[in-house]
Amino acid sequence: DSGVTQTPKHLITATGQRVTLRCSPRSGDLSVYWYQQSLDQGLQFLIQYYNGEERAKGNILERFSAQQFPDLHSELNLSSLELGDSALYFCASSARQGSDTEAFFGQGTRLTVV
Amino acid sequence: GENVEQHPSTLSVQEGDSAVIKCTYSDSASNYFPWYKQELGKGPQLIIDIRSNVGEKKDQRIAVTLNKTAKHFSLHITETQPEDSAVYFCAASKGSNYQLIWGAGTKLIIKP
Repeated sequence: DSGVTQTPKHLITATGQRVTLRCSPRSGDLSVYWYQQSLDQGLQFLIQYYNGEERAKGNILERFSAQQFPDLHSELNLSSLELGDSALYFCASSARQGSDTEAFFGQGTRLTVV
Repeated sequence: GENVEQHPSTLSVQEGDSAVIKCTYSDSASNYFPWYKQELGKGPQLIIDIRSNVGEKKDQRIAVTLNKTAKHFSLHITETQPEDSAVYFCAASKGSNYQLIWGAGTKLIIKP
């Protein structure tokens, strides 16, 4: 168990809908990262938050947004969903924002858009 | 932009033999190179990492080598066991933000 909790584990929704994925980082970790993993592919970095503030942005679509709350949990909002948004979405957390700290991953949310 | 290529996409080895997975990166400013193992239904888990000031690092049956001149790094697993079967990802990062660029993954199959 990595200590990172993601909910829900599975989500099935229709095209055009909006969903919210939730992540609780490891206790004490200030940095949260969101990744997208499409079928049989590597992970694509979406966005990073550190102590409530956005720190880095990757290939995140304008239809997607995220935030980190004062209690450090984070939410990823996906709107106007398309079939191609079907993927595994991972959240990871680390103690600091630097590149020399290990990131711990949650078990992911599998999103299926039908 | 930064790119990380990983080979092979699938690797099948006999139990007890060694496995080698190779990655190349494009940005010479990259300075952190972790390897992650992803088992079915789970998130990636860090198994070993190396920084640009080190050429090799070992942890029991796992070792990673880095060639900065050639911009490639490799994962070596010796005496493979059935529990080594998983998908392995290499990644590269630079700068102060933890923004990993990931390889496409290698599915390692350990044959009994």
